[in-house]
Amino acid sequence: QVQLQESGPGLVKPSETLSLTCTVSGGPIQTYYWSWIRQVPGKGLEWIGCIYDNGSTIYNPSLKSRVSISVGLSENQLSLKINSVTAADTAMYYCARGSGGIWGQGTMVTVSS
Amino acid sequence: EVVLTQSPGTLSLSPGERATLSCRASQTVNSNSLAWYQQRPGQAPRLLIYAASSRAPGIPGRFSGSGSGTDFTLSISRLEPEDFAVYFCQQYGSSPYTFGQGTKLDIK
Repeated sequence: QVQLQESGPGLVKPSETLSLTCTVSGGPIQTYYWSWIRQVPGKGLEWIGCIYDNGSTIYNPSLKSRVSISVGLSENQLSLKINSVTAADTAMYYCARGSGGIWGQGTMVTVSS
Repeated sequence: EVVLTQSPGTLSLSPGERATLSCRASQTVNSNSLAWYQQRPGQAPRLLIYAASSRAPGIPGRFSGSGSGTDFTLSISRLEPEDFAVYFCQQYGSSPYTFGQGTKLDIK
């Protein structure tokens, strides 16, 4: 059974780079596409972007200039980087297989000095 | 960008009743690429329906999706206590993939 687990710093300072990892277990990472999605607590869901099995990426235009998604095949991991973060980037961050078929449990990131 | 509007914002029903949730798109959803998710407090969303009407593996038969084009519906035939949660629709037919704002289903 495929499982996803997000990890990374829970606190990031303003203007710095948010870096998260999603470890995929129970199945290969290279045969699907993968997404990152975030949610401000108590609010709705925002799609950040996704990476396809050929390595191509698409991003939400609202974040496009600051975001990068990549895959580490040997580690079976997905990564997310958002640079120049502000308080508005404070959210629960989820990785998901496809556009949302299977989700990780999420990791909370707070942007604060 | 495809804007999804869900209604109602909150739906108050009793166990055993039927729930009907709506998701309307600002433009046609390509290939009916519309999904529904359930989110319980403190949990990640869970996929219920994909491609507008296909149930995800393990999802009970009381959940059904319908619709096409710009108008989509999630129906829950007989509400169980565990069904009271927040429901989101999502279109993944054109980038950026967008979500509706959610419908909260609570116990009357």
